[in-house]
Amino acid sequence: DAGVIQSPRHEVTEMGQEVTLRCKPISGHDYLFWYRQTMMRGLELLIYFNNNVPIDDSGMPEDRFSAKMPNASFSTLKIQPSEPRDSAVYFCASGRGEETQYFGPGTRLLVL
Amino acid sequence: KQEVTQIPAALSVPEGENLVLNCSFTDSAIYNLQWFRQDPGKGLTSLLLIQSSQREQTSGRLNASLDKSSGRSTLYIAASQPGDSATYLCAVYGGSQGNLIFGKGTKLSVKP
Repeated sequence: DAGVIQSPRHEVTEMGQEVTLRCKPISGHDYLFWYRQTMMRGLELLIYFNNNVPIDDSGMPEDRFSAKMPNASFSTLKIQPSEPRDSAVYFCASGRGEETQYFGPGTRLLVL
Repeated sequence: KQEVTQIPAALSVPEGENLVLNCSFTDSAIYNLQWFRQDPGKGLTSLLLIQSSQREQTSGRLNASLDKSSGRSTLYIAASQPGDSATYLCAVYGGSQGNLIFGKGTKLSVKP
């Protein structure tokens, strides 16, 4: 298996632009997680899905962030409009349960 | 609210030295604790998972211990090698929050 696939790996954009991050989980995993990692706050859970349904989105910082999982093999995290403080590494992880998670390589986002 | 703290934030040791990384958590009602490794520009890889009923787990040169009552875990690395250089994160599952809560990690550098 190729593991969790994220795209793009790097994204540089200007403040106010829309950013869409993509994730393909490992086949057969019914949990999908989106995390954000910064030096100041470490790794934070933004939202997670079970069987394509959002279970907990309490970590989503504000309405500018949204996530979808239209099917078992694809999820997106969208930021609109983006702000410089959104600059971070965004990780997607998948698993068969909440406690065993396999992480993707991350998307490094820089908002100028 | 569960909080996970890792000390030290960074550690530099000469090759061959044995070392200990520390992790503490505030809510002892956890189901398990995991240690992850993160290489620069990459995602997280799970190293060891200790269930709440267990005291320790071993994998090769790595040994992780768990003292749930005191809210502490240690990761012991024997005979360190330059290839061990990475950031090590501790995460707990369970307690008041039903997802993984991460510490900010310890950045380890092993000098040849």
